[in-house]
Amino acid sequence: DTGVSQDPRHKITKRGQNVTFRCDPISEHNRLYWYRQTLGQGPEFLTYFQNEAQLEKSRLLSDRFSAERPKGSFSTLEIQRTEQGDSAMYLCASSLGGGRIYNEQFFGPGTRLTVL
Amino acid sequence: DAKTTQPPSMDCAEGRAANLPCNHSTISGNEYVYWYRQIHSQGPQYIIHGLKNNETNEMASLIITEDRKSSTLILPHATLRDTAVYYCIGSSTGNTPLVFGKGTRLSVIA
Repeated sequence: DTGVSQDPRHKITKRGQNVTFRCDPISEHNRLYWYRQTLGQGPEFLTYFQNEAQLEKSRLLSDRFSAERPKGSFSTLEIQRTEQGDSAMYLCASSLGGGRIYNEQFFGPGTRLTVL
Repeated sequence: DAKTTQPPSMDCAEGRAANLPCNHSTISGNEYVYWYRQIHSQGPQYIIHGLKNNETNEMASLIITEDRKSSTLILPHATLRDTAVYYCIGSSTGNTPLVFGKGTRLSVIA
C-alpha cells in the first residue's frame, strides 16, 4: 500500500454513459498525476496538478475528459459519453513538489474501466 | 526526455541475480535514469534512480556505464515476488510526468 487510494477499483459502464473516478493522494504531496494504461502498454500521461492548478494536459485528454483537484487534495477524473476505446486502467500518482530533484511518484492501485 | 530501449522479456531462476539492461543512447547530461516496476494488477512502484554514479538501495543496484548510454538494474537475489514488468525511464527534471515505454517483463522461475 503506497498511501495513494483510488475509487472505484473497477467500473463497468455502457457506451455513452458518464463515469467519474476519484484519487486520494498522500496527504503532504502537492503534485498529482493521472495516467492511462491499456493492455500490454506502459502507462501514458494524461494530466497533472500542482496543488489545485492543472499544469499540463496531454493530447490524449480529449474534450470528453475533465480532471479537477478543487482543494488541492483529492482529484476526480470524469469521462463523458464513454467509448469502447476508453476501456483501460486509469492510474493516479502523487509526489512531493517544491523543486525536488528526483522524480519518485507513488502510484495508486488504479481504476479498471470497461466500456461495453 | 531520453528514449529508452529494453528487451521485451527475460527469465531468471529464483535466488539468482536478475540483470535487466536498458539502452538510453540519447540521454542528455542532466537526465536521470529511473527504474520502476509494475507487479500484475498493481500500480507502478519506484525502485531506484541515478545520474552517473552507481547506486544501491534495499531493493536493487543500478549500474550506469561511464558514457551513460546504457544501464543495468540488478536484483541480487530474485524471488518469485519480483516477477513484474520493469520500466527504465529517462527524466530531466523532478516531479514531471513520467514517459513509460513497454518495459521488460521479468519472470522469476522456481
